Amino acid sequence: DAEITQSPRHKITETGRQVTLACHQTWNHNNMFWYRQDLGHGLRLIHYSYGVQDTNKGEVSDGYSVSRSNTEDLPLTLESAASSQTSVYFCASRGTNTGELFFGEGSRLTVL
Amino acid sequence: EDQVTQSPEALRLQEGESSSLNCSYTVSGLRGLFWYRQDPGKGPEFLFTLYSAGEEKEKERLKATLTKKESFLHITAPKPEDSATYLCAVQAGFTGGSYIPTFGRGTSLIVHP
Repeated sequence: DAEITQSPRHKITETGRQVTLACHQTWNHNNMFWYRQDLGHGLRLIHYSYGVQDTNKGEVSDGYSVSRSNTEDLPLTLESAASSQTSVYFCASRGTNTGELFFGEGSRLTVL
Repeated sequence: EDQVTQSPEALRLQEGESSSLNCSYTVSGLRGLFWYRQDPGKGPEFLFTLYSAGEEKEKERLKATLTKKESFLHITAPKPEDSATYLCAVQAGFTGGSYIPTFGRGTSLIVHP
């Protein structure tokens, strides 16, 4: 079955370190998204991509970057992790421009 | 700016006690309102899409409805397994080639046996 997987599921890192969260989907979806979820804020969009070599900033993109070199993967990089980036991160993909999102299981990141 | 507000933030029900969750929105040119269910430690899971006022969708004990300003998720005779956080998202405004979903903060539902 097609799926979307995130890794690692849990990570603890230190302030200032670079961290990369992986997202891999096997639906061949063009649209991919990264959200973070925090108590009191709900899901907030970090970055999104409509296809290979396309990336766009969301509402909370500062301190994050993404790259899209193939259809299946959209890794999220924190260049220099900060405590404010402690959160649960969700990757999602979508098969059409207006359809529903398919989410991964999430990656819980703790920055000490 | 698109706004999505869900109420209540939390809801406790007894098994069999029907109720409704609300999602109010202010967007221009709605291109879909979505309901998702999220279990603890999991990613959101798609439930329904509604595109136009008057539209209704049903799935087991859940029924979603849509007006020009809000959507309701009606839960009839809920069971403990319906306990979850329910998220609402709206899509409007074509941005760079597609539509970007904006999420509400969710309603946490607990159903007691």
